[in-house]
Amino acid sequence: AQTVTQSQPEMSVQEAETVTLSCTYDTSENNYYLFWYKQPPSRQMILVIRQEAYKQQNATENRFSVNFQKAAKSFSLKISDSQLGDTAMYFCAFRDAGNMLTFGGGTRLMVKP
Amino acid sequence: EAQVTQNPRYLITVTGKKLTVTCSQNMNHEYMSWYRQDPGLGLRQIYYSMNVEVTDKGDVPEGYKVSRKEKRNFPLILESPSPNQTSLYFCASSSGGAVWNEQFFGPGTRLTVL
Repeated sequence: AQTVTQSQPEMSVQEAETVTLSCTYDTSENNYYLFWYKQPPSRQMILVIRQEAYKQQNATENRFSVNFQKAAKSFSLKISDSQLGDTAMYFCAFRDAGNMLTFGGGTRLMVKP
Repeated sequence: EAQVTQNPRYLITVTGKKLTVTCSQNMNHEYMSWYRQDPGLGLRQIYYSMNVEVTDKGDVPEGYKVSRKEKRNFPLILESPSPNQTSLYFCASSSGGAVWNEQFFGPGTRLTVL
């Protein structure tokens, strides 16, 4: 079974600064996909960014980017120019060809004004 | 508007009283799934369905049942709820079986079993 670990239960960052959220995973698969989801206080789950394991280039979506290290099984999320609206729980998730989606325990991010 | 809907949004019940949480999507998605969210554990997959009449167990299926008689609906059934099933439940759907496809989540159902 796949496991996803987020080692930082809580983090905080000042508005306009950069923060990096960590995620590691364990799998024997070679082809898989990784995701970061955001859950604001409204509880809605929102896809932030995704990465295909066979692509070496790190994915980027506006202020959000990832550092994907396949050999190290690491998938960190970098948020640049943090905004108050970025305050949320962030979940790292792993999905393989078996169609099961495995989530990490989450990191609560607080952006301070 | 494309969406996944769940009902009820909040439910308080007692041990052993059968309940159903409905999930419906209007995007003609083949893939649907149920998750439960507990503090520190993230979301854990309960059951998923690749298409009508096709369902599979996820990580934590014990105590739950599902059915997929229609493409748009994927109800979650708790035949005899217990307090350890108190949780926040999410339904999600995506098009096709491609693992790349984004999953669209419902708004969540907060269930309390006394």
